Amino acid sequence: AQSVTQPDIHITVSEGASLELRCNYSYGATPYLFWYVQSPGQGLQLLLKYFSGDTLVQGIKGFEAEFKRSQSSFNLRKPSVHWSDAAEYFCAVNNQGGKLIFGQGTELSVKP
Amino acid sequence: DARVTQTPRHKVTEMGQEVTMRCQPILGHNTVFWYRQTMMQGLELLAYFRNRAPLDDSGMPKDRFSAEMPDATLATLKIQPSEPRDSAVYFCASGLVVGPRSSYNSPLHFGNGTRLTVT
Repeated sequence: AQSVTQPDIHITVSEGASLELRCNYSYGATPYLFWYVQSPGQGLQLLLKYFSGDTLVQGIKGFEAEFKRSQSSFNLRKPSVHWSDAAEYFCAVNNQGGKLIFGQGTELSVKP
Repeated sequence: DARVTQTPRHKVTEMGQEVTMRCQPILGHNTVFWYRQTMMQGLELLAYFRNRAPLDDSGMPKDRFSAEMPDATLATLKIQPSEPRDSAVYFCASGLVVGPRSSYNSPLHFGNGTRLTVT
């Protein structure tokens, strides 16, 4: 069965520091992968998506993610974190039925 | 800026009462999803529709939950009777699927959710 694992429940980084959020997936075919961000009291907003082609994808708000098939990973990165990036981040895979399967989420805190 | 609209934003009810949550998908979107979010389970898919037809509701407790799309502009999720364990945030999301292959890549647009508390 398809699944997504985000190993880190909570991460704290200092403002201006770099960020990497981990995501591992389990999927038999070529996955379609997404990162979403959720601010408190809000719905989920799409940050970026990977379908095929270049394994490094750029998203909104300065985020990028790299697809590594050999590691079944799709980690999210940002070179310099801003205080407004504090939120919960979800990795997701779109399975053959068109359903979006989410990971458990990683909560990001940003220290001044 | 088109968005998915969910009502109500908050609902507090007593155990045993009927709860109805509504969702207005983005105009032109043909796929609607209902998700439930809790601390323990994270985001769970309850049901989804394409062109108003239910495709999968295997994530939904059938004895008390029902989901419908009376028309293309309205999706509803009902709980009857409600129980304290139903307390969660319920999200509706919509997307556009234009062909068999596209079902793999349509990003979803989420509403802001309905926070349900059952006492």
